[in-house]
Amino acid sequence: EDQVTQSPEALRLQEGESSSLNCSYTVSGLRGLFWYRQDPGKGPEFLFTLYSAGEEKEKERLKATLTKKESFLHITAPKPEDSATYLCAVQVPYSGAGSYQLTFGKGTKLSVIP
Amino acid sequence: KAGVTQTPRYLIKTRGQQVTLSCSPISGHRSVSWYQQTPGQGLQFLFEYFSETQRNKGNFPGRFSGRQFSNSRSEMNVSTLELGDSALYLCASSQDRSTDTQYFGPGTRLTVL
Repeated sequence: EDQVTQSPEALRLQEGESSSLNCSYTVSGLRGLFWYRQDPGKGPEFLFTLYSAGEEKEKERLKATLTKKESFLHITAPKPEDSATYLCAVQVPYSGAGSYQLTFGKGTKLSVIP
Repeated sequence: KAGVTQTPRYLIKTRGQQVTLSCSPISGHRSVSWYQQTPGQGLQFLFEYFSETQRNKGNFPGRFSGRQFSNSRSEMNVSTLELGDSALYLCASSQDRSTDTQYFGPGTRLTVL
C-alpha cells in the first residue's frame, strides 16, 4: 500500500529561523511528488512538482528537494506569512492505463512567530 | 485566468439527507478530481472525471457519486448523509488527465447534524 508520511506534524519557528520539513514515501511507480501550501479554510495552493531524484526547485524562501525515498521542503529565513500547513503528495499509477492519482500526506503545520 | 470555483462554500445538512456540490474548473482544463479532507484522515481521493467519464475512483462507498458535463463543470453527490461525512470537499482541475498539476478550489465545508 502506498504511504506518505510527513514530519514533524507541527513546527514552530522564530522569524528568520531556517528549517526543513520532511516527506517520506513508500510507493510503487512514483511519477511525481507535489508540494502544496494550505491556509486555514482554503484549498491547497500548488508550490512545486519534482520528478526525479536529485531535482531541486526554488520559490522565494522555499526550496524543495527529492531523493529516492523522501523529499524536503527547506524554508530559509521564514516570515510570519509563511505560516500554513504544507502538504506533500505523490502521484502514483491507478489501475487504468495512463491513470494516476495523488496520495497526500497529513501535512506539517508551520507557525512562524514574529 | 479565474481559478477553480466551488459552490456552495458552506452547507449544513441532517443525517439521511442528500447533497450536491458543484465545481467549475479553470478555463481550458478538462480533468476534475474530488477530494475529501478531514482532520483525522487528511486529504483522500474520491474520483476523477475526464471527458464526462469517471476515470478513477477512490475507496469510498457508493453513496458518493459524481458527474461531469460537456463544459467540464462537475458535480458531486452524497446520498443518505452520515455524521462522518462532515468534511471539507475539495475540487481540483488539471489541463488534461490527472498526470498534470492539479489546482484546487476553495472547497465546500459540509456539516452533517
